[in-house]
Amino acid sequence: NAGVTQTPKFRILKIGQSMTLQCAQDMNHNYMYWYRQDPGMGLKLIYYSVGAGITDKGEVPNGYNVSRSTTEDFPLRLELAAPSQTSVYFCASSYERVIGYGYTFGSGTRLTVV
Amino acid sequence: QKEVEQDPGPLSVPEGAIVSLNCTYSNSAFQYFMWYRQYSRKGPELLMYTYSSGNKEDGRFTAQVDKSSKYISLFIRDSQPSDSATYLCAMSAGLANSGGSNYKLTFGKGTLLTVNP
Repeated sequence: NAGVTQTPKFRILKIGQSMTLQCAQDMNHNYMYWYRQDPGMGLKLIYYSVGAGITDKGEVPNGYNVSRSTTEDFPLRLELAAPSQTSVYFCASSYERVIGYGYTFGSGTRLTVV
Repeated sequence: QKEVEQDPGPLSVPEGAIVSLNCTYSNSAFQYFMWYRQYSRKGPELLMYTYSSGNKEDGRFTAQVDKSSKYISLFIRDSQPSDSATYLCAMSAGLANSGGSNYKLTFGKGTLLTVNP
């Protein structure tokens, strides 16, 4: 059971480039999330999804886009990368109604924009 | 006032010490309280989960919630070098437009703990 898998683990982008961060889960979770984690700033929610075809903005959605065509996959798209998007990105998933299990996180993608 | 406040530390203790980690919050709607542990260059993993005020114990870990003071704590007894990590508190409130069927987690900034052998 792989849990939540994120690829790539590391990436360096030039300003203005675009890329897609991949996230896949094999736990049949309906709910999926994208967070960014900056040093000393905690985890900030970028986008979330409550099921295939349904997505919504979190706290810091500007500069990002998501899609959810299947239950398993929730890719995060960065268009026109900026230095402010240098961060560690975590994807997470959860059961729909059982908050006690919390979120299962992936191991993260470390992105640097230069 | 930020929704969740957590002292970032760093906190350094000798092996065997009792560790106390704390968070305060301002949103009285929070109902569920969690502690996540995050090792360096890894994703957070759920350590403890509590609902309502009181204590919950799991091995060397005790989670404490005081809703009247809006204050939660995590105690680690007989701390070990393997406990060295960042500890994040997290609290839940309803996701907008979700009908309350799931709960957005609001995280503290995390406290970096080092347990020295």
